[in-house]
Amino acid sequence: DTAVSQTPKYLVTQMGNDKSIKCEQNLGHDTMYWYKQDSKKFLKIMFSYNNKELIINETVPNRFSPKSPDKAHLNLHINSLELGDSAVYFCASSPTGVTTDTQYFGPGTRLTVL
Amino acid sequence: QKEVEQNSGPLSVPEGAIASLNCTYSDRGSQSFFWYRQYSGKSPELIMSIYSNGDKEDGRFTAQLNKASQYVSLLIRDSQPSDSATYLCAVTGNQFYFGTGTSLTVIP
Repeated sequence: DTAVSQTPKYLVTQMGNDKSIKCEQNLGHDTMYWYKQDSKKFLKIMFSYNNKELIINETVPNRFSPKSPDKAHLNLHINSLELGDSAVYFCASSPTGVTTDTQYFGPGTRLTVL
Repeated sequence: QKEVEQNSGPLSVPEGAIASLNCTYSDRGSQSFFWYRQYSGKSPELIMSIYSNGDKEDGRFTAQLNKASQYVSLLIRDSQPSDSATYLCAVTGNQFYFGTGTSLTVIP
């Protein structure tokens, strides 16, 4: 059973397009996250949702909009894609969102903007 | 100054040796500390978590935390080629911060 799943695994698109990445977790966790990992392996948190409510909203362009229809899903929509958006995007979840929680990561979505 | 700093490596050790990975952090209020392993092209997976000063052992892995000096380390004993990966230090206080990772290669 896949604990945290993401689709698609690879996404290649042109500059200016709009795209979405979907994430689902079947762990029963309350909190979900989106991370961006750049080419230098730096993993930076973008958003965090707890029970469908936005908890963390780091300084990311407002072209990025997360949506959580329920606590098992957290999708990421990106408008007007730019070359600098090319990265691997990881979804993660944790039981409650407290600082002692372990985060469980999805397999990642490699986004390439041409 | 970055919130979490790691030596990017690469760190190379022979098989069977001890690999030592270090991490420093800037937020004195940090409460939880994690080591994740990330194989190339894969997602991070938790190796160890540590919350209080001292050592914590789990099999071949030992995490060490010194809050006064604001550093956390990971020792891997009897290193195996399968340990070759990037090791990410993560620290939580008000936010969750990852370091840029240390690349470890274990040479057979």
